[in-house]
Amino acid sequence: AQSVTQLGSHVSVSEGALVLLRCNYSSSVPPYLFWYVQYPNQGLQLLLKYTTGATLVKGINGFEAEFKKSETSFHLTKPSAHMSDAAEYFCAVSDPPEGGYNKLIFGAGTRLAVHP
Amino acid sequence: SAVISQKPSRDICQRGTSLTIQCQVDSQVTMMFWYRQQPGQSLTLIATANQGSEATYESGFVIDKFPISRPNLTFSTLTVSNMSPEDSSIYLCSVRGGTYGYTFGSGTRLTVV
Repeated sequence: AQSVTQLGSHVSVSEGALVLLRCNYSSSVPPYLFWYVQYPNQGLQLLLKYTTGATLVKGINGFEAEFKKSETSFHLTKPSAHMSDAAEYFCAVSDPPEGGYNKLIFGAGTRLAVHP
Repeated sequence: SAVISQKPSRDICQRGTSLTIQCQVDSQVTMMFWYRQQPGQSLTLIATANQGSEATYESGFVIDKFPISRPNLTFSTLTVSNMSPEDSSIYLCSVRGGTYGYTFGSGTRLTVV
């Protein structure tokens, strides 16, 4: 069964510092991987996704993530945090279309705080 | 990507009553997904709804409590039945887009009193 583990329910960084949000997955088939952001009282917005091809994926708002099969990881990074990045971030996994049920399984989430 | 219109955006309901949440998609999609997000928690999949067949429920969710309809390829409803305060959550629908990105509705924030 698929599962997603996000290390650190809360992460706090200074404005301008590196953002690193950790995500590890468990899947019986090569997965598709996603990062979503949820701002307070808002819906989910897709930051980026990995399906196939290049393992370094660039998303919106300066975020990127690298799929590392050997480490079963898909960590999210941003070189320089901005105050507007403060939000809840969710890592998610699904089977590829030919591989299974296609439902999206979410990690527990990481709340990112950015302080001046 | 698909655009989802979900309503109501929020509601306050009395315990013991039922609420039906609607999701309308601007394109035809095979699968629609319903999620629950309890306060301060992550998203948990309730069920997957295919057009023309019964929804498939995840462990811990049952049809009597969360009946789902899927009358066509652009519309689905989720009913939260016989509500209790423990049902207070955000409920979201989702579809999978053509480029394999999942799109979410804006959510229904339900408070049961």
